[in-house]
Amino acid sequence: KQEVTQIPAALSVPEGENLVLNCSFTDSAIYNLQWFRQDPGKGLTSLLLIQSSQREQTSGRLNASLDKSSGRSTLYIAASQPGDSATYLCAVSLRSGNTPLVFGKGTRLSVIA
Amino acid sequence: GAVVSQHPSWVICKSGTSVKIECRSLDFQATTMFWYRQFPKQSLMLMATSNEGSKATYEQGVEKDKFLINHASLTLSTLTVTSAHPEDSSFYICSARDQGLHEQFFGPGTRLTVL
Repeated sequence: KQEVTQIPAALSVPEGENLVLNCSFTDSAIYNLQWFRQDPGKGLTSLLLIQSSQREQTSGRLNASLDKSSGRSTLYIAASQPGDSATYLCAVSLRSGNTPLVFGKGTRLSVIA
Repeated sequence: GAVVSQHPSWVICKSGTSVKIECRSLDFQATTMFWYRQFPKQSLMLMATSNEGSKATYEQGVEKDKFLINHASLTLSTLTVTSAHPEDSSFYICSARDQGLHEQFFGPGTRLTVL
């Protein structure tokens, strides 16, 4: 059974700092991996999607890497801002087609002005 | 990106009543939709997989007779919480997979509060 773990569970940093969020998964036979952002009481916003054949994806100040063989992904946030404060969720999709996502418990990020 | 809507966005009901939540893919067809549940400060847990034109597949521990799922068309799936109890209070989120993009798109969620 696929399990997704995110470390740390919570993180507080001063504004402007670069930071890394970690995600690991137990079954390396994934189809893709997604990073989401969730604000309190809100739905999910997809940040980055990495296909299993890819090593990384970038969007603005965000960079996500994937090491499928070791079962790890990182989300790098550059020059953090208070608006980045949210919970960041990592999720993997197994195989292709109609399979659901398996989510980690998330990292709660607070960026202090 | 593709858009998925949910209705209602929030609902408060009395214990023992039934509540229906709709999930729609607005600009693509989805043969499969997924229903997740999220308790406070917890992650999303898959409840069931909704397949258009056939029965839903439920995860272990999820009562199919309590959480009725109907996927009547390629753009609509509904989740009905029957005889709701306070412990059913949660955030329910649906997602739909765009086959062409191999990506899941999530609805904004429905917050259910059972009094």
